[in-house]
Amino acid sequence: SYVLTQPASVSVAPGETARITCGGANIETKFVHWYFQQPGQAPVLVVYDDVVRPSGIPERFSGSSSGNTATLTISRVEAGDEGDYICQVWDSTSENVVFGGGTKVTVL
Amino acid sequence: QVQLQESGPGLVKPSQTLSLTCSVSGDSMSSEDFYWNWLRQRPGKGLEWIGYVYDSESSYSNPSLKRRVSMSIDKSKKQFSLKLTSVTAADTAVYFCARGGLSSIWTWDIWGPGTLVTVSS
Repeated sequence: SYVLTQPASVSVAPGETARITCGGANIETKFVHWYFQQPGQAPVLVVYDDVVRPSGIPERFSGSSSGNTATLTISRVEAGDEGDYICQVWDSTSENVVFGGGTKVTVL
Repeated sequence: QVQLQESGPGLVKPSQTLSLTCSVSGDSMSSEDFYWNWLRQRPGKGLEWIGYVYDSESSYSNPSLKRRVSMSIDKSKKQFSLKLTSVTAADTAVYFCARGGLSSIWTWDIWGPGTLVTVSS
């Protein structure tokens, strides 16, 4: 089955840039969606279809995908960006949704 | 502004059926653009997609759960529902309902807050 691999954690200072990777075989051929989740809260969609920001999501959030890696970039990181970031794709081979394990972003 | 809210028993006994309902407020469900999804998150674990219902004749479930999952929708009541049969402790999780269809079935732009369901005798 298709596997998405994310680093367990990323630490970043306020104002700096955080890059969260999501690795998967030929992931560039799939649409990658990113969610942000804080403890006890429902996930929030922050980027979909690799690069598109939903209405209301700050421009500081951007996505990209190439080869075997998709990346969510958070520019000018703020304290409120702290939480888990989860990547997700639809795998047509297994006909199932696949999630990455999530990356915990800590703002130092 | 569309909002979703899950409801149902917070405690279910092993081998019984888990039943949840998601109520949609702030908008009609009559649009053909949207798919109504269920997901769950076991304590301390990642997200798991359960399935979606589109209308009374169209739904699809996670292959690993499909034998135990049934979903229904009542657009006139602005509700959709999930039933998961033969539950075990492994089904203890926070269950979310979510709207899909922003760009595909699998992009969920609106979520309910989630409801914790514990399976225990």
